[in-house]
Amino acid sequence: EPEVTQTPSHQVTQMGQEVILRCVPISNHLYFYWYRQILGQKVEFLVSFYNNEISEKSEIFDDQFSVERPDGSNFTLKIRSTKLEDSAMYFCASLSYEQYFGPGTRLTVT
Amino acid sequence: KNQVEQSPQSLIILEGKNCTLQCNYTVSPFSNLRWYKQDTGRGPVSLTIMTFSENTKSNGRYTATLDADTKQSSLHITASQLSDSASYICVVITSNSGYALNFGKGTSLLVTP
Repeated sequence: EPEVTQTPSHQVTQMGQEVILRCVPISNHLYFYWYRQILGQKVEFLVSFYNNEISEKSEIFDDQFSVERPDGSNFTLKIRSTKLEDSAMYFCASLSYEQYFGPGTRLTVT
Repeated sequence: KNQVEQSPQSLIILEGKNCTLQCNYTVSPFSNLRWYKQDTGRGPVSLTIMTFSENTKSNGRYTATLDADTKQSSLHITASQLSDSASYICVVITSNSGYALNFGKGTSLLVTP
């Protein structure tokens, strides 16, 4: 069974610090996504990535956020200067026909 | 505005009973509709994918229906098990520019012994 992996599983950081969340999508997939889910709320779309560039992004995905696929396997989400309200579960997903979600990284900003 | 509304917000049923979860959407243009199961603290897992032309699709004890005319979908769970306790999320995909996913807030299902 193919799976998307994410590291770390839990990240605690201080407000204003930079964090990088890492994802390894399924190897033959072409579309990659980041979502976040604030505790008790619905999953929110952040950004989609195809052919080494952002194809779509939501209003949440402002200049504080960036994504990269640095080496053809990893897919990263960087938050430059974290805010308290960035605390959430961050899910990576990859897609061919079926979309597979990773297990998530719980980000806690203190 | 693309919206996906789910009901009920939460549901408690006895083990072995059936239940039906509802999803109404105003997403356009429609590409397909998916139901996901999300266990607490985990990523969503796909249960079914339905395209415009499909009315019913089953996956084990899960049966999804789609009425593209009324823009409604349902997920029926048969003979519920304790492990069915989770959040069930309806996701409607548009095919406007790119491939955008519109998430409902989910129905939280608790199956009790």
